[in-house]
Amino acid sequence: NAGVTQTPKFRVLKTGQSMTLLCAQDMNHEYMYWYRQDPGMGLRLIHYSVGEGTTAKGEVPDGYNVSRLKKQNFLLGLESAAPSQTSVYFCASTLGNEQFFGPGTRLTVL
Amino acid sequence: GIQVEQSPPDLILQEGANSTLRCNFSDSVNNLQWFHQNPWGQLINLFYIPSGTKQNGRLSATTVATERYSLLYISSSQTTDSGVYFCAVEGDMRFGAGTRLTVKP
Repeated sequence: NAGVTQTPKFRVLKTGQSMTLLCAQDMNHEYMYWYRQDPGMGLRLIHYSVGEGTTAKGEVPDGYNVSRLKKQNFLLGLESAAPSQTSVYFCASTLGNEQFFGPGTRLTVL
Repeated sequence: GIQVEQSPPDLILQEGANSTLRCNFSDSVNNLQWFHQNPWGQLINLFYIPSGTKQNGRLSATTVATERYSLLYISSSQTTDSGVYFCAVEGDMRFGAGTRLTVKP
């Protein structure tokens, strides 16, 4: 049981490049979330999903897109990366009221 | 949206001391959780506590929903308790800025 995994762990992009972050969970959870964490701040919700094929916007969705084609995977895409998107990205899934977090992806946009 | 404020922002303790962390929120909530982020960045769910009191070992939490605050108590602190403690509220999980706890041996 791997829990929640994130790929990649680190990435450096140039402004304007695109990339996709992958979150996978093997716990059959319905709800999944993408957050970003900036230095000295709490997490901010980007997008979330309440089930396969569904997505919804969170607090800071601009510049990101998501897809949930399979229940176990939640993808976060950056179509044209900007330096303001430099952050640590966390994925989470929920069983009942308890959130389980992945280890994070550290993204730097130059 | 709901505003979440945590205090104090930083806390330094000697091992064995007790501490109380506070979370204030600006509106009624149906969901409040406490999390610990360890020095390596890993986030762990501590409590789901929209109201009432819960205890788990040396940690306990109380939420007074009518007065819009929650408290996290850490007793007999250990160096492994170091890290940042966050509270988060509601379905879209609005996080506070956290309390950074440092426990010195």
